[in-house]
Amino acid sequence: AQSVTQLGSHVSVSEGALVLLRCNYSSSVPPYLFWYVQYPNQGLQLLLKYTSAATLVKGINGFEAEFKKSETSFHLTKPSAHMSDAAEYFCAVSGAAGNKLTFGGGTRVLVKP
Amino acid sequence: KAGVTQTPRYLIKTRGQQVTLSCSPISGHRSVSWYQQTPGQGLQFLFEYFSETQRNKGNFPGRFSGRQFSNSRSEMNVSTLELGDSALYLCASSPPGLAGGETQYFGPGTRLLVL
Repeated sequence: AQSVTQLGSHVSVSEGALVLLRCNYSSSVPPYLFWYVQYPNQGLQLLLKYTSAATLVKGINGFEAEFKKSETSFHLTKPSAHMSDAAEYFCAVSGAAGNKLTFGGGTRVLVKP
Repeated sequence: KAGVTQTPRYLIKTRGQQVTLSCSPISGHRSVSWYQQTPGQGLQFLFEYFSETQRNKGNFPGRFSGRQFSNSRSEMNVSTLELGDSALYLCASSPPGLAGGETQYFGPGTRLLVL
């Protein structure tokens, strides 16, 4: 069975500071890993996706994530936070059979001016 | 290309009633998945349909059902509604692919309130 753990349900950062969101996964097969963002009253928008082509994955809006197999981690970072980054972020994993996504609990990011 | 559309966007029902939600995928996408989002349980997978066949199913009671039509549009139905069914129901579509791990594109969701 696959599972995803996101450390910290809430993160507060100052505008211009580093954003670091932690994600650890458990999967019995090589996983596909995703980060999605959800703005209030909206659906989920894909930030980036890991498919084993490269361990450092660059996404939209300046976000990137690094896949570390030895740590079973896929942490999301952005060097400089912007007010528009305030949202909820979800890490997700899927396996090789079908498109079932297993999500972490989400991390809500607050950006302080 | 138009994105994933879901109708209706908001719905209020009473306990015991049934409800049908609709999802139109991105043109050319053949896989449609449904998720339930609640504050307590987070995002949970309901089921996935591919070429009119249910390919994956989550751990939900039989009151939750779905189907997919030949044009890839999908509906989900919840019968005998309970208060705990109040949630945001998200639909996602994926490009054709049999290996799994395809990127899922989400619609805006249908917010269901059960009174």
